Amino acid sequence: GQQVMQIPQYQHVQEGEDFTTYCNSSTTLSNIQWYKQRPGGHPVFLIQLVKSGEVKKQKRLTFQFGEAKKNSSLHITATQTTDVGTYFCAGQAGNTPLVFGKGTRLSVIA
Amino acid sequence: DTGVSQNPRHKITKRGQNVTFRCDPISEHNRLYWYRQTLGQGPEFLTYFQNEAQLEKSRLLSDRFSAERPKGSFSTLEIQRTEQGDSAMYLCASSLTKSTDTQYFGPGTRLTVL
Repeated sequence: GQQVMQIPQYQHVQEGEDFTTYCNSSTTLSNIQWYKQRPGGHPVFLIQLVKSGEVKKQKRLTFQFGEAKKNSSLHITATQTTDVGTYFCAGQAGNTPLVFGKGTRLSVIA
Repeated sequence: DTGVSQNPRHKITKRGQNVTFRCDPISEHNRLYWYRQTLGQGPEFLTYFQNEAQLEKSRLLSDRFSAERPKGSFSTLEIQRTEQGDSAMYLCASSLTKSTDTQYFGPGTRLTVL
């Protein structure tokens, strides 16, 4: 079945440093979504990418969808303590349910 | 609050007991999903409904698990004869199906099986 892999599993950064997490799917995706889960919270939708090569920005966050629609990345510029949490990618192939990666847990040291 | 709600938020039970959780989705959303999440893992798909029809169940889902969405609104997830391995956070999400499937999660029900 479809698998979604994320790296790294953990990332510790100093406040102000950049952060990137990568997501790879075993199958071509129709769309990829990113979610953030704060400690003790539930996943919250951040963004969805649909087009090959698409790039979207939300303030300090930049999301990319690969040309082959099998990989994606999330880059945070100049991290802040409010960025702490686990970032999940979730891929959808056709009309099938989303498949979530295991997430990247980000710690930001002030 | 018009978000997804789940009850109870916490459930502690003894092994072998049955438990039932409830999810109330966002009112106009026609899809409803159940996930299980354990520490350090992403949400693991269990099952989903479109309106009242259960369209897919994970092959990993034991026959001790059953879910219903009788009127296409709220849903219940029942676990029979609970085992310690069932301890997890059970998340519900809903979506309004269009061309894509953005999901809105509830706060979850944390199950502890003693």
